[in-house]
Amino acid sequence: GQQLNQSPQSMFIQEGEDVSMNCTSSSIFNTWLWYKQDPGEGPVLLIALYKAGELTSNGRLTAQFGITRKDSFLNISASIPSDVGIYFCAGANTGNQFYFGTGTSLTVIP
Amino acid sequence: EAQVTQNPRYLITVTGKKLTVTCSQNMNHEYMSWYRQDPGLGLRQIYYSMNVEVTDKGDVPEGYKVSRKEKRNFPLILESPSPNQTSLYFCASSLLGGGYGYTFGSGTRLTVV
Repeated sequence: GQQLNQSPQSMFIQEGEDVSMNCTSSSIFNTWLWYKQDPGEGPVLLIALYKAGELTSNGRLTAQFGITRKDSFLNISASIPSDVGIYFCAGANTGNQFYFGTGTSLTVIP
Repeated sequence: EAQVTQNPRYLITVTGKKLTVTCSQNMNHEYMSWYRQDPGLGLRQIYYSMNVEVTDKGDVPEGYKVSRKEKRNFPLILESPSPNQTSLYFCASSLLGGGYGYTFGSGTRLTVV
């Protein structure tokens, strides 16, 4: 199956800083999704994007569906300690065409 | 509360001893799926189901079986577990497929010795 490439692989930032991460694919997707996984738990859906160029926010999180439909971006503003976790992108088409990215591990230093 | 429930959360077993990990969802979702998560390899799909009695292989189906006799339940069966199946397993469900976002269970950490 496909695997989407996320970068960076890991980030260590100070509390209050902004965070940017991205996800790229060799294939086009109709839907891009961003998940967060806390230690010992399953991934939780943060944002879903359904249209190329779409910019969607969820609190301090903002995600964009790339114009080429082969990439997506996630920004977190003013990071706080509870933002710690692994962030996964996922690209989806119809039915079971649903592929996860490799993940970005975020550490927030108080 | 809308959720996907997996049991058990932790399991240690011996090579060759058949085991079943249960998964149940209360959201009347059509799609259900099993993933395994391994360090450096991310989340990989094992099997999925689009409806009752409809299942298909994902990316890493070898050594696993599933069944979907009822809409809410999707158990994962390891007929003869081996150490390379030591992993963190997640069950997930979705209303109409991945494009609508999967809801994940809390995971089952399996160790095969």
